[in-house]
Amino acid sequence: EPEVTQTPSHQVTQMGQEVILRCVPISNHLYFYWYRQILGQKVEFLVSFYNNEISEKSEIFDDQFSVERPDGSNFTLKIRSTKLEDSAMYFCASQTGSTKNIQYFGAGTRLSVL
Amino acid sequence: GESVGLHLPTLSVQEGDNSIINCAYSNSASDYFIWYKQESGKGPQFIIDIRSNMDKRQGQRVTVLLNKTVKHLSLQIAATQPGDSAVYFCAERADDYKLSFGAGTTVTVRA
Repeated sequence: EPEVTQTPSHQVTQMGQEVILRCVPISNHLYFYWYRQILGQKVEFLVSFYNNEISEKSEIFDDQFSVERPDGSNFTLKIRSTKLEDSAMYFCASQTGSTKNIQYFGAGTRLSVL
Repeated sequence: GESVGLHLPTLSVQEGDNSIINCAYSNSASDYFIWYKQESGKGPQFIIDIRSNMDKRQGQRVTVLLNKTVKHLSLQIAATQPGDSAVYFCAERADDYKLSFGAGTTVTVRA
């Protein structure tokens, strides 16, 4: 069964460093998302991406965040200068082209900012 | 076992019993709802969805009920099994993009 894959599973970084979280969405999907989940809290929307551009973003997704689909396969989330409060699980999700369809999630990347 | 009221963070249920997980959603404009299951260290896993033009939908051992009048969603799990132990999230969608997740209910199945 096709699945969303994320790498790495755990990323440790120093405050102020840049990190790139990688995702390979399901191959025939056209809508892509990043969510985050701070330990013990609910999943929060960060950004949605369609047709090579951001379609919606939350207040969390400030200038320190960016997304890219560099090669038609990968979907990346970059945090330019990490802060302690960026420590969380980051989930990538993808969805087929038509609207109102199911979002399928990857297993997540745990980001630890020290 | 049943989580009563709007939402309880934990639900303990005896193996073999039925579980009911409740969720209150906030946006009256939401027209699509999803239940996800999240096991420890994993991402949310799709269980079942329902559109706002329906009030009930059944899957394998699971049923979702939607009451738009009171903005309430529930997930019923029949004959709960140890593998059903997880955190369950409801999510709503009011536009074509983002999902808004609830706080989650931790279900623990007692042997």
